[in-house]
Amino acid sequence: NAGVMQNPRHLVRRRGQEARLRCSPVKGHSHVYWYRQLPEEGLKFMVYLQKENIIDESGMPKERFSAEFPKEGPSILRIQQVVRGDSAAYFCASSPPLPLQGFYNEQFFGPGTRLTVL
Amino acid sequence: DQQVKQNSPSLSVQEGRISILNCDYTNSMFDYFLWYKKYPAEGPTFLISISSIKDKNEDGRFTVFLNKSAKHLSLHIVPSQPGDSAVYFCAARNYGGSQGNLIFGKGTKLSVKP
Repeated sequence: NAGVMQNPRHLVRRRGQEARLRCSPVKGHSHVYWYRQLPEEGLKFMVYLQKENIIDESGMPKERFSAEFPKEGPSILRIQQVVRGDSAAYFCASSPPLPLQGFYNEQFFGPGTRLTVL
Repeated sequence: DQQVKQNSPSLSVQEGRISILNCDYTNSMFDYFLWYKKYPAEGPTFLISISSIKDKNEDGRFTVFLNKSAKHLSLHIVPSQPGDSAVYFCAARNYGGSQGNLIFGKGTKLSVKP
């Protein structure tokens, strides 16, 4: 009964390179969320995806960042031309489909990918 | 502008005593509140939640209280144990938004001393 899996756990990139972060949700979960945690900060929402659809990307920087959740395979968060300010822990979470107002399906978090940009 | 605030970065409590972690929020559209616990180098783990239509929810040693008029919630841990030492995040869901994203506070680091 595997939880959310993320890989790699640690990723080091030089400025200008691309970073690809992978997330496999809990089996049966069709909703995936990406959050970023900067040092000494709380988690900040980036994007919410369902299979093959982006539902809410209001927290995602407009440039260099993209996310997908294909029909088959893991969700991918892609950061192009990384800069030092992208260094952070990136957490993926998954949940079952969302119910009505007043109810909630908790989000299960993965262990995170720690990105370091040199 | 922070919508969810945890004003105490850290809290130290003696084993066996009560730990009280506090959280304030500003957005009246929040309909669900959650507490997550996080150990170093791990992802947050869900602890307990409360709907905005309730004022208390209890689960074992953990109780969450919600005061909507004050826009304040608190997590009580009784009795506190050394294994409770972690960073605790308060989070809220905005039903007026996409229903998917959680808004987190900055966290409170709890240290329970034996």
